[in-house]
Amino acid sequence: DIQMTQSPSTLSASVGDRVTITCRASQTISTWLAWYQQKPGKAPRLLIYKASTLEIGVPSRFSGSGSGTEFTLTISNLQPDDFATYYCQQYNSYSSWTFGQGTKVDIK
Amino acid sequence: EVRLVESGGGVVQPGGSLRLSCEVSGLTFRSYWMTWFRQAPGKGLEWVANINKDATEKYYVDSMKGRITISRDNTKNILYLQVNSLTAEDTAVYYCSRGIAASDLWGQGTLVTVSS
Repeated sequence: DIQMTQSPSTLSASVGDRVTITCRASQTISTWLAWYQQKPGKAPRLLIYKASTLEIGVPSRFSGSGSGTEFTLTISNLQPDDFATYYCQQYNSYSSWTFGQGTKVDIK
Repeated sequence: EVRLVESGGGVVQPGGSLRLSCEVSGLTFRSYWMTWFRQAPGKGLEWVANINKDATEKYYVDSMKGRITISRDNTKNILYLQVNSLTAEDTAVYYCSRGIAASDLWGQGTLVTVSS
């Protein structure tokens, strides 16, 4: 199975900051990677798919990049609504999907 | 409005079974692959199972193979997950979602608690 290693596990930041979260796959997944945002007690929300395509309705301050095994999610100009937990997910194969461990973005 | 509504969760004793349901409305259910995920309390997300449009392909997470069955009824627009031989490690919120790639639509989840 493909393992996803996400870092950092926690990130403290201030409103207006630019933050970057990294996800590394144990083997190449091309660009079959998604990023989700989750708030307590809520279902995840898709932010980015195919590594860099912004889901409809997601603010443009979110961006994704990478291919192969290294990926990043960047939030520019962090807003109060962005304090949440973020997950990467690989979907390289129908038969096995995996998530990173999650990154909690909290207020510094 | 597109809605995915899970049900069937609750408290079950170790060794017991549950069938979770996900009622889908507002989209052409039979046109989409569907997926179950779960999330244990305070933990991360875990993919559980996928099913294709006509239920001829089904895939399961290795850790639950042999204990779970994903199915669907395209006449009723309902997705199911049968989970057997439950243990405390199965305690989680179970979510259904649409798609075979990134999951853009999710239900609100149903909580399964395995406890004696």
